[in-house]
Amino acid sequence: AQSVTQLGSHVSVSEGALVLLRCNYSSSVPPYLFWYVQYPNQGLQLLLKYTSAATLVKGINGFEAEFKKSETSFHLTKPSAHMSDAAEYFCAVSLVGAGNMLTFGGGTRLMVKP
Amino acid sequence: EPEVTQTPSHQVTQMGQEVILRCVPISNHLYFYWYRQILGQKVEFLVSFYNNEISEKSEIFDDQFSVERPDGSNFTLKIRSTKLEDSAMYFCASFVQNTEAFFGQGTRLTVV
Repeated sequence: AQSVTQLGSHVSVSEGALVLLRCNYSSSVPPYLFWYVQYPNQGLQLLLKYTSAATLVKGINGFEAEFKKSETSFHLTKPSAHMSDAAEYFCAVSLVGAGNMLTFGGGTRLMVKP
Repeated sequence: EPEVTQTPSHQVTQMGQEVILRCVPISNHLYFYWYRQILGQKVEFLVSFYNNEISEKSEIFDDQFSVERPDGSNFTLKIRSTKLEDSAMYFCASFVQNTEAFFGQGTRLTVV
């Protein structure tokens, strides 16, 4: 079975600072990995995905993530935080050939201080 | 851009009542899912649906829950007799195989 752990339920950064949201996964077979963002009172929007092509994945809004198999990690980064980045971020894993059922991490709430 | 549409956006119901949550997936998608998110908790898988039948379900998806694709476009989640602990945001998702899931905006269900 697969699982996802997001370290830090809350992360606070200053506007313009680096954003780093951590995600570690566990899976017995090659995974697909995703980051979703949820703005207040809204649904889940895909930020980026890893599906076994390039290990460094670029997404929307300046975010990127790097798949590191040796560390079983898929951390999300953004060089410079913007106030509009304040939201909840979810890392998710699905297994290749397993119907694409997503298993989500617990989420990380990103707060951006002016 | 195509999108998954869920109705209603918010439903309040009394404990013990039946509710039906509706979803219109993206038209050429073949796989459909329901997830839920209890306030402050992680998003949890409920059920997956493919080729007009349930392909997988979680332990949360007990006999009180059912899904249906009644007319080839809508995808519904029914809760027969709601409990207080069913209060959550329910998300529908659809996708073509091996692409990302597209999520709807969710239905907030409040059981009182």
